[in-house]
Amino acid sequence: SQQGEEDPQALSIQEGENATMNCSYKTSINNLQWYRQNSGRGLVHLILIRSNEREKHSGRLRVTLDTSKKSSSLLITASRAADTASYFCSRNDMRFGAGTRLTVKP
Amino acid sequence: GAVVSQHPSWVICKSGTSVKIECRSLDFQATTMFWYRQFPKQSLMLMATSNEGSKATYEQGVEKDKFLINHASLTLSTLTVTSAHPEDSSFYICSAQQLNTGELFFGEGSRLTVL
Repeated sequence: SQQGEEDPQALSIQEGENATMNCSYKTSINNLQWYRQNSGRGLVHLILIRSNEREKHSGRLRVTLDTSKKSSSLLITASRAADTASYFCSRNDMRFGAGTRLTVKP
Repeated sequence: GAVVSQHPSWVICKSGTSVKIECRSLDFQATTMFWYRQFPKQSLMLMATSNEGSKATYEQGVEKDKFLINHASLTLSTLTVTSAHPEDSSFYICSAQQLNTGELFFGEGSRLTVL
């Protein structure tokens, strides 16, 4: 990939469970952004977290950022089948990791 | 959120022809737009950064004469795949960066199939 990596590469859970995806990066950042992509579609912006922030919430989404470990995590609580998608993180240089393919089984 | 329109959403062409893909920011101005290429089940690969009024910055390994980028206004960038070959078949996605927030807004992508 052109920058840090997401893990796991694939995640399959039951509806109602929580899903956690991680993103690591290699150099310093000003901000980090999480996106969602449904198959064959463009990306939808989920959350932007700045380097001076440690946690952000948006609905069922919670993003954390640990700049000392150069990592971020995206938590989706009470998952739904409609959350099935690929999730990517991108740092401020606009490059993306390999992504996590999340499957939520009804 | 802001809207980015990408057109066409899909195109089929013959080998040797050129194809132009447009990326428009509909309700905001974008001095910087980005072009990505995505193969099935893979991530987005940044091809180039398009800057309004200046030449695009291409990523290593991307042929600038093959993938022509023009960013003539604050709301429009175009990617032209010249002399297309079957290996150019891919999903091309553009994004526009909102100046104030730095957020990226993506088009819906253009699926190119070269026969």
